[in-house]
Amino acid sequence: DTEVTQTPKHLVMGMTNKKSLKCEQHMGHRAMYWYKQKAKKPPELMFVYSYEKLSINESVPSRFSPECPNSSLLNLHLHALQPEDSALYLCASSQVLSGISNEQFFGPGTRLTVL
Amino acid sequence: QQQVKQSPQSLIVQKGGIPIINCAYENTAFDYFPWYQQFPGKGPALLIAIRPDVSEKKEGRFTISFNKSAKQFSLHIMDSQPGDSATYFCAASKDNYQLIWGAGTKLIIKP
Repeated sequence: DTEVTQTPKHLVMGMTNKKSLKCEQHMGHRAMYWYKQKAKKPPELMFVYSYEKLSINESVPSRFSPECPNSSLLNLHLHALQPEDSALYLCASSQVLSGISNEQFFGPGTRLTVL
Repeated sequence: QQQVKQSPQSLIVQKGGIPIINCAYENTAFDYFPWYQQFPGKGPALLIAIRPDVSEKKEGRFTISFNKSAKQFSLHIMDSQPGDSATYFCAASKDNYQLIWGAGTKLIIKP
C-alpha cells in the first residue's frame, strides 16, 4: 500500500463549528505532515510529526490543533475557523524526517470551505 | 537565499512537443530536488527527484537536468500528451522535511 488517504474529501463548516480532518498511511512512514494550499500556490507547511511526536509547528494559529494517535494516523482538529482558512488541506508522509529517505508522499487533500 | 524561482508561470505546448520548466536556487546547501505534478483538486504527486551528484535523471518520459554550477534544474517532458496537463512544482531541500517550493507552472498540452 503506497497511498496516503484523507477524509473527508470536502468539508463545509461555519465559523463556530468544530470538525476534524483525518489522514492515514500504511507505508510504515514515521514522519507525517499537514500542509495548507491556497489556489494557484504551492503547499505551505503547517505541522510535522516525527515518531508520533509534534516536531514542527510553523506558527499556526491555535484554532488548528493536530493530533497523532498512532504511527499510521494523523488528525487535524478545527475550531472557530475564519473564511480565510478555506483551502485544500493536504496530509503527507515520509519514511523519516531527514536524510536520504525523506521523500514526501501526499494524500488527495480535503477541500475545506468556511462560511 | 531560501527561494526557488520557477519559470514559466504557464506554458502551452502542442501534443508531442517537449515542454521545459526551469527552476533556479541560491542556497548551495540544497541537496534534494523533487518535482511534483498536481491535477486540479488533487494532492501533489512526486514525479521525479534528483540529487546533486548526477547531472541528469530519466523516468519514463520525464527527465530532470541539473546544472550544479549554474544552480539550476529543469524538467523536460518527452512526447507530451494532453493527460500531462497539470500544475508542476519544483522544490528543494537540505535533505530534511523542509521543502522550499517554486511558485508552480500551469502546463496545458493541446491535442
